[in-house]
Amino acid sequence: KNEVEQSPQNLTAQEGEFITINCSYSVGISALHWLQQHPGGGIVSLFMLSSGKKKHGRLIATINIQEKHSSLHITASHPRDSAVYICAFLNTGNQFYFGTGTSLTVIP
Amino acid sequence: KAGVTQTPRYLIKTRGQQVTLSCSPISGHRSVSWYQQTPGQGLQFLFEYFSETQRNKGNFPGRFSGRQFSNSRSEMNVSTLELGDSALYLCASSLGAGGPWNEQFFGPGTRLTVL
Repeated sequence: KNEVEQSPQNLTAQEGEFITINCSYSVGISALHWLQQHPGGGIVSLFMLSSGKKKHGRLIATINIQEKHSSLHITASHPRDSAVYICAFLNTGNQFYFGTGTSLTVIP
Repeated sequence: KAGVTQTPRYLIKTRGQQVTLSCSPISGHRSVSWYQQTPGQGLQFLFEYFSETQRNKGNFPGRFSGRQFSNSRSEMNVSTLELGDSALYLCASSLGAGGPWNEQFFGPGTRLTVL
């Protein structure tokens, strides 16, 4: 049984579209991260959150602890947003789990 | 400020050999975490070091070990390499203890190929 499920697995969007990536988990968590991985492997930590909502530029991350669900939104998507987006979390036993990632391609 | 650096960037080894990977954190960061990424298993947490002590460990066999030096640089060692150890090994540093509890800054990774 997977502790974390991400959807969709793959996503293609036109430049300017609003994008949503979802992450659902089945265990109690302490914190949830959203990571961005570009081709070549480099990973950037976008957000870490344990409640509510955070915004950075065109990126917004939300988490609903009761529903065990988090979303990453990208407003006005751009080709440079093309990457794999991964959610990851610490469960209450201090184990760190990663989602399988959502591969996003934004077409000009 | 320089980012997280990892050396070497690419490495080819044969089964049965051992390998040591190095990670230099951002200046001032005292926590270093290591991760393995494979096409089949995705990203997995290996371990975290803070102030030269291992604070948290993922579910990997004892062939995977690490250490941290007084300058916060960290090394990861894999002994008796297996084909399945071929992966991208990433390290990440953070300011405080608790690795994944904090915002982490990732290095570019070391791509290990085991033949």
